Amino acid sequence: EADIYQTPRYLVIGTGKKITLECSQTMGHDKMYWYQQDPGMELHLIHYSYGVNSTEKGDLSSESTVSRIRTEHFPLTLESARPSHTSQYLCASSPGNTIYFGEGSWLTVV
Amino acid sequence: QQPVQSPQAVILREGEDAVINCSSSKALYSVHWYRQKHGEAPVFLMILLKGGEQKGHEKISASFNEKKQQSSLYLTASQLSYSGTYFCGTEKSQGADGLTFGKGTHLIIQP
Repeated sequence: EADIYQTPRYLVIGTGKKITLECSQTMGHDKMYWYQQDPGMELHLIHYSYGVNSTEKGDLSSESTVSRIRTEHFPLTLESARPSHTSQYLCASSPGNTIYFGEGSWLTVV
Repeated sequence: QQPVQSPQAVILREGEDAVINCSSSKALYSVHWYRQKHGEAPVFLMILLKGGEQKGHEKISASFNEKKQQSSLYLTASQLSYSGTYFCGTEKSQGADGLTFGKGTHLIIQP
């Protein structure tokens, strides 16, 4: 299994604020992902990375951006949060086949 | 293409068996099964590769029918701890861009 750490776990912010959700993994996995999941619903891929300086958009269009400057770090940024961004954001990494998820970050925009 | 899971929800008594299906209209390379409890992250259960391989973990096993592009998850003699939402995630090719998940099957085990 992979040790994947996400911070903050819970965040309530006002509309228009800039936020960054942090994600770190300690296993040296090249592949990392961000999924968005509304309560009780399916997971949607919003960003992924195959390694340092590699970032791609996923199936679900998202106004967020990501960066991958270091192998272990894959932060997600929202420049101007809106209530429609309220959701759970799950970071994941993979050694090549199986994907392992972090605990998730619950974002509420008021 | 999002895989289709069935049933949407199941309610069982402890000790009963359940089958959850995951179907795709496209050819698949692999199917991954996860269980997610309320408020927690999805937990990996097992991966099935094309070739009809069947895998098992304790009383949970799964199969992959390549001809039908369908995977089934079998829960035998269910325990209370099996409650949660089960998701299948599919890959069209090896090393594809992440997994595409189904809508999930909600499983409730009653004592």
